[in-house]
Amino acid sequence: DAGVTQSPTHLIKTRGQQVTLRCSPKSGHDTVSWYQQALGQGPQFIFQYYEEEERQRGNFPDRFSGHQFPNYSSELNVNALLLGDSALYLCASRTAGRSWGYTFGSGTRLTVV
Amino acid sequence: AQKITQTQPGMFVQEKEAVTLDCTYDTSDPSYGLFWYKQPSSGEMIFLIYQGSYDQQNATEGRYSLNFQKARKSANLVISASQLGDSAMYFCAMRGRLTGGGNKLTFGTGTQLKVEL
Repeated sequence: DAGVTQSPTHLIKTRGQQVTLRCSPKSGHDTVSWYQQALGQGPQFIFQYYEEEERQRGNFPDRFSGHQFPNYSSELNVNALLLGDSALYLCASRTAGRSWGYTFGSGTRLTVV
Repeated sequence: AQKITQTQPGMFVQEKEAVTLDCTYDTSDPSYGLFWYKQPSSGEMIFLIYQGSYDQQNATEGRYSLNFQKARKSANLVISASQLGDSAMYFCAMRGRLTGGGNKLTFGTGTQLKVEL
């Protein structure tokens, strides 16, 4: 049973560019959340998707956007990259009926130069 | 607003000994859940244990137990019989039913645990 799959694992981008990160949730899960984890910090909630809609958003600018597809997979897009966007981006999935059953992926490490 | 505080940036423990990782929280939510995750150097957040705010008994999962003291707003993780593979970063997190609609986890800054021979 595959867990949460994220791609790519590592990414280097130039300041001002745009990036797309991808997440496939665990089998049977329909809700996807994205987190940003800066070096030495705990993860910070970006947003959550359910039924292809953004259901809740954390304190992140509009440069951060997302999408959920009918197969429950999700993308995180970041426009106009800043050096401060360098972080580990984690995807977490769960089923809507189990509010404590979060499963995380291994993340995408984004470096902005 | 919710807040998680982990005051131990780093901890050392001898193999086979028990260790307690501290976590205190603050929330105005009457109903909430508390989590502990392990994050090895690979980056994946591995779920360890969950405690609901209305659970009467402390949660246990194998070698992990959660010492939940609601009045003191603490949710310490106890790892018994430490193993070398337990060396990792440990995060305490919470989810509130009202604050954030139960959708987001709020994390602490983590504790780096090193198990020594």
